[in-house]
Amino acid sequence: KNEVEQSPQNLTAQEGEFITINCSYSVGISALHWLQQHPGGGIVSLFMLSSGKKKHGRLIATINIQEKHSSLHITASHPRDSAVYICAVLPTSGTYKYIFGTGTRLKVLA
Amino acid sequence: NAGVTQTPKFRILKIGQSMTLQCAQDMNHNYMYWYRQDPGMGLKLIYYSVGAGITDKGEVPNGYNVSRSTTEDFPLRLELAAPSQTSVYFCASIEGVNTEAFFGQGTRLTVV
Repeated sequence: KNEVEQSPQNLTAQEGEFITINCSYSVGISALHWLQQHPGGGIVSLFMLSSGKKKHGRLIATINIQEKHSSLHITASHPRDSAVYICAVLPTSGTYKYIFGTGTRLKVLA
Repeated sequence: NAGVTQTPKFRILKIGQSMTLQCAQDMNHNYMYWYRQDPGMGLKLIYYSVGAGITDKGEVPNGYNVSRSTTEDFPLRLELAAPSQTSVYFCASIEGVNTEAFFGQGTRLTVV
């Protein structure tokens, strides 16, 4: 079992839909990151969370440390949101090595 | 700030050739990482560094070497390139444990 699990693996939505991507992890963490990668593109950091909730434009990220779970929400989705979304955690073990989820491939149809 | 700069963006190598992938950041970050991403797959850690003069192996270090003589630069050296090293390479940096991660634009390497 992977230490970081994302669901769903693939997601197709219609433009305007509310989207939720989930990340569950099994280790103690110092921080959790949500990353975005467009096809053939670079990787962009969307959020860094150690507690609570953050919002940036149409994106909202939450984390529940006790339940070892984080969600990324996209409101009013748009075709330009089509990308792979990656959850990455930094364990408290002190090795400074991130553990990555396998990614969620999102396609938003116009 | 330029962030994290990787060069080159693309490169084709012949089997057995060597090259250095450059990574530089201008944010005075201590922590730097090299990842490879094979087609359709996730990121795998090659090497990382927690500060100048300190480097350590990741999951897939074989065939690679790194150095960290300055805080800014973290070059990745490929010796005797092999087709299995065909991949996209990403460099990343963070300031500390609870800070944003910054990624370079990637280097697409093909070994033929």
